[in-house]
Amino acid sequence: GAGVSQSPSNKVTEKGKDVELRCDPISGHTALYWYRQSLGQGLEFLIYFQGNSAPDKSGLPSDRFSAERTGGSVSTLTIQRTQQEDSAVYLCASSSYLAGTHGYTFGSGTRLTVV
Amino acid sequence: SQQGEEDPQALSIQEGENATMNCSYKTSINNLQWYRQNSGRGLVHLILIRSNEREKHSGRLRVTLDTSKKSSSLLITASRAADTASYFCATVMIYNQGGKLIFGQGTELSVKP
Repeated sequence: GAGVSQSPSNKVTEKGKDVELRCDPISGHTALYWYRQSLGQGLEFLIYFQGNSAPDKSGLPSDRFSAERTGGSVSTLTIQRTQQEDSAVYLCASSSYLAGTHGYTFGSGTRLTVV
Repeated sequence: SQQGEEDPQALSIQEGENATMNCSYKTSINNLQWYRQNSGRGLVHLILIRSNEREKHSGRLRVTLDTSKKSSSLLITASRAADTASYFCATVMIYNQGGKLIFGQGTELSVKP
C-alpha cells in the first residue's frame, strides 16, 4: 500500500482480556518498529524487526507483550491480560533503508483503552 | 529511558513569527531526526541531520546540530497556523545495532492566526 496501515484504529477492551494490534508496513520495507505513546508523552520503543534477523525485543515492558512478523511483512503486537496502564496509542513504523539511516514512515496508530 | 530532552515543552507564537525548539541528548549519535505529530496520532518525518553535519535546511525548516554540546535546534521560519503540532527529536545512537530511534518528550507548538 501507499502508507503504513494499522488496525484497528481504536480498541476498547476490558482489563484482563488479550488484544491483537496489526501493522501492514509499506511493501518492500524490511525494517518494522513498534512504539507506544502514553497521553502527552514521547514515544517509547517496544520492538524492532529487520529482515530475517532476530527481533530486538529490548523495549517490551513485560512478558505480557509479544510481537511477530510473518513473511517479512505484516506484524502483530499481542498484549495478554491487559492492564489499565497498557492504555496508550501504539504506533508502527517501517523503513526501507539501513535501520536508522533515513526517516521512518509511521502509521496512524491504534488507540488502546483498557477499562 | 528517553535519550532526548526537549525545550520548551510548549510554545505559543503568532503567525508569521519564527519558532525555535531545542533538543538535548546524552550519548554519542549517528544521526538526529525531527518529526511532527498532529492530534496525537501518526508522526511525519521532517528532516535528518547526520553527526558530521552542522546545519541543514528544508523549506522553512532549519536544523542545527552541535555534537560537542549534544544538542540540536529546529527553527521554523514564518510560521503558519497549520504548523500547530507536536514536534519530536529522535536520535540513533552511534553504537546502536538496530537503528532504533529514541524519542524525546516533544514540544507542543501553537501558532495563533
